[in-house]
Amino acid sequence: GQQVMQIPQYQHVQEGEDFTTYCNSSTTLSNIQWYKQRPGGHPVFLIQLVKSGEVKKQKRLTFQFGEAKKNSSLHITATQTTDVGTYFCAGPYMRGETSGSRLTFGEGTQLTVNP
Amino acid sequence: EAGVTQSPTHLIKTRGQQATLRCSPISGHTSVYWYQQALGLGLQFLLWYDEGEERNRGNFPPRFSGRQFPNYSSELNVNALELEDSALYLCASTYDLGTVSSYNSPLHFGNGTRLTVT
Repeated sequence: GQQVMQIPQYQHVQEGEDFTTYCNSSTTLSNIQWYKQRPGGHPVFLIQLVKSGEVKKQKRLTFQFGEAKKNSSLHITATQTTDVGTYFCAGPYMRGETSGSRLTFGEGTQLTVNP
Repeated sequence: EAGVTQSPTHLIKTRGQQATLRCSPISGHTSVYWYQQALGLGLQFLLWYDEGEERNRGNFPPRFSGRQFPNYSSELNVNALELEDSALYLCASTYDLGTVSSYNSPLHFGNGTRLTVT
């Protein structure tokens, strides 16, 4: 079935350094979503990418969808302590498949920021 | 707009007992997902309900079951609890965009139920 692999599992950075997490799918995705989960909280939707090669920015966060629509990345410029949390990518099964979930989450990248 | 609500917030059970977790979706959302998140780990898909029907289930034993009610709220039942069932159980709701295949409506998560099995 469809798998979404995410690396790295953990990332420790100094405040002000950049951070990147990568997401790879075993199959072509129709879209990919990114979520952030703060410590002790629940996942919160950040963004969805749909088009091949799409790049979207949210302040210091840059999201990319690969040309083949099988990989994606989230890059944070000049991290701040407020960026601490776990970042998940999630990809959908196409309608009609009978296995798996509508959205399959990667294992997540846990980001810690040292002030 | 009220968010996804889950109850109870915490639940402590002993091995072999049954647990019932409840979820109320955002108004207008017809799909409810259940995920298990063990401490420090990722989100493992449990169940997906849409319009009152079970659409899919993850790789969990049959003692994990649930249902969706006519008002789209949902219940997750875990029978014969085992120690490894201790985890945060997250419910999420969304609306189905029908046959649109390139876009998926985002999931809105509740705060979860922390289940501890002793």
